[in-house]
Amino acid sequence: AQKVTQAQTEISVVEKEDVTLDCVYETRDTTYYLFWYKQPPSGELVFLIRRNSFDEQNEISGRYSWNFQKSTSSFNFTITASQVVDSAVYFCALRASNTGTASKLTFGTGTRLQVTL
Amino acid sequence: NAGVTQTPKFRILKIGQSMTLQCTQDMNHNYMYWYRQDPGMGLKLIYYSVGAGITDKGEVPNGYNVSRSTTEDFPLRLELAAPSQTSVYFCASSKTADTQYFGPGTRLTVL
Repeated sequence: AQKVTQAQTEISVVEKEDVTLDCVYETRDTTYYLFWYKQPPSGELVFLIRRNSFDEQNEISGRYSWNFQKSTSSFNFTITASQVVDSAVYFCALRASNTGTASKLTFGTGTRLQVTL
Repeated sequence: NAGVTQTPKFRILKIGQSMTLQCTQDMNHNYMYWYRQDPGMGLKLIYYSVGAGITDKGEVPNGYNVSRSTTEDFPLRLELAAPSQTSVYFCASSKTADTQYFGPGTRLTVL
């Protein structure tokens, strides 16, 4: 069975601070995919990144970066120089490769990030 | 290109009423999904479909039904609404078993 743990329920930072959102996953599969989604106050879910289990290279996209470490089963997300617009709930999700014919995502419970001025 | 659209955005139902949540995608994706999101929780899969005419149960299918007569549409039916079905419902689609793209959600309250 798959499991995703986001232990940080809520984080508050002041604008321009760096913040890291933690994600720890459990799976018995050797091939799997990890995702991050953003849910702003408007409620929609916005795809941010996908990473497969064979690619442990860190990814940077503007102020966002992701650190994938198989040794600790973690896929952490860092926002550098946070902005008020980053305020949202962030979800980490896992899909194992052998979930049948469909892409069944297992979601964490989310981390609410509040960025204030 | 609208992506995934859902209607209605909000709905209040009385216990025992029925309704259909509509979901349409214009990306020609084969895979479609319905999730529910309860307060403070992640999303849980209700039903999914890998193509027209093919549907299957997810984690929490009880109280719901789906159909997939076309590639574009994947409606979710609640037959006898119960307070436990108060939630935000998200529809999603993906080209293959890959990245899922979500609709804006439907907030449903059952009183």
